[in-house]
Amino acid sequence: EPEVTQTPSHQVTQMGQEVILRCVPISNHLYFYWYRQILGQKVEFLVSFYNNEISEKSEIFDDQFSVERPDGSNFTLKIRSTKLEDSAMYFCASSGEAQEDAEAFFGQGTRLTVV
Amino acid sequence: EDQVTQSPEALRLQEGESSSLNCSYTVSGLRGLFWYRQDPGKGPEFLFTLYSAGEEKEKERLKATLTKKESFLHITAPKPEDSATYLCAVPLPPGKLIFGQGTTLQVKP
Repeated sequence: EPEVTQTPSHQVTQMGQEVILRCVPISNHLYFYWYRQILGQKVEFLVSFYNNEISEKSEIFDDQFSVERPDGSNFTLKIRSTKLEDSAMYFCASSGEAQEDAEAFFGQGTRLTVV
Repeated sequence: EDQVTQSPEALRLQEGESSSLNCSYTVSGLRGLFWYRQDPGKGPEFLFTLYSAGEEKEKERLKATLTKKESFLHITAPKPEDSATYLCAVPLPPGKLIFGQGTTLQVKP
């Protein structure tokens, strides 16, 4: 069964350092997303990406965040200068069509710990 | 403001004891409602999509229903392996999901 894969599963970084979280979406999907979940809180939308550009982003997704699809298979989230409050689970998701019409498949997440 | 609220926050059941989880929403122009299951430390796993009031979907011991203001996830004769957090979410264009805070279900043998 096709699945979304994320690496690494756990990343520890020092405050102020840059991190890149990686995702391989399902191969024939066209829409890609990043969400995050702070421990004990709701899953929150960060950004959606379609046709090589951002289609929607939340208030959380400020200038410290960026996304990229560097090749035909990977989708990355970069945090330029991490803060303690960036510690969370980060989930990548993909869907074949506009999300309101089709299910989104989520990866297993990357646990980011900023110390 | 678009909002999704789930109740109860936590639910403990004995194996075989049926119950329902609630998801209420205030969204202009509902385009669907998703139910997901989330195990500890894992990503949300898709369960159901509901598109219109009156619609029902079933999968094993789970049945999801939708009205104009809320959705229910009914669990019939649950087993310990049904223990998880159940999330509902609504899509907002052009492509994001608004999640509720989830209901954490524990089923004891």
